[in-house]
Amino acid sequence: GAVVSQHPSRVICKSGTSVKIECRSLDFQATTMFWYRQFPKQSLMLMATSNEGSKATYEQGVEKDKFLINHASLTLSTLTVTSAHPEDSSFYICSARETGGPETQYFGPGTRLLVL
Amino acid sequence: DQQVKQNSPSLSVQEGRISILNCDYTNSMFDYFLWYKKYPAEGPTFLISISSIKDKNEDGRFTVFLNKSAKHLSLHIVPSQPGDSAVYFCAASARSGNTPLVFGKGTRLSVIA
Repeated sequence: GAVVSQHPSRVICKSGTSVKIECRSLDFQATTMFWYRQFPKQSLMLMATSNEGSKATYEQGVEKDKFLINHASLTLSTLTVTSAHPEDSSFYICSARETGGPETQYFGPGTRLLVL
Repeated sequence: DQQVKQNSPSLSVQEGRISILNCDYTNSMFDYFLWYKKYPAEGPTFLISISSIKDKNEDGRFTVFLNKSAKHLSLHIVPSQPGDSAVYFCAASARSGNTPLVFGKGTRLSVIA
């Protein structure tokens, strides 16, 4: 099946620093990728839709200046958490949909972010 | 307004028996449905999907049933195994473009040995 990777798998940073998370589709091209956040014991919360070569579409309540998304190629999207604060600590998961393929989204393994 | 609902937050089943996870949706434009399985601290894993032109899709121990008139789908796992213990998410899509899947809140399945 399609494979999506995320890097890093976990990161600890100091408050005020920025953290970049990469999402790669390894064996397929993905015009569209999605970024989710999961709080403990809660379901997935869609943050934004990342479109290759264009601006991301953010869900209501998600600060676009706080969570910068770049989708510069058909296999890579990045999420940068700028000026991270402890409340940004969470589990971030990306998914990718194969260009021209079915609606199935394939998820990465997630990135655990802890902001001290 | 939740368009995809999984009304049972949890389900316990004995090993070897059938697990039935249910999902209801409200948007009649949805025409593609998926089930994902998720372990703690991991990303969801795609399990099985069904198009609205079908009412059943089977893959090994997993079968998804779709009742369009009732806007209801279910995932059957038989026989259930302890390794099936996870959170299962139902998701739906209206295939009208690059719109994200709409997920339910998940059902935690515990398979007891």
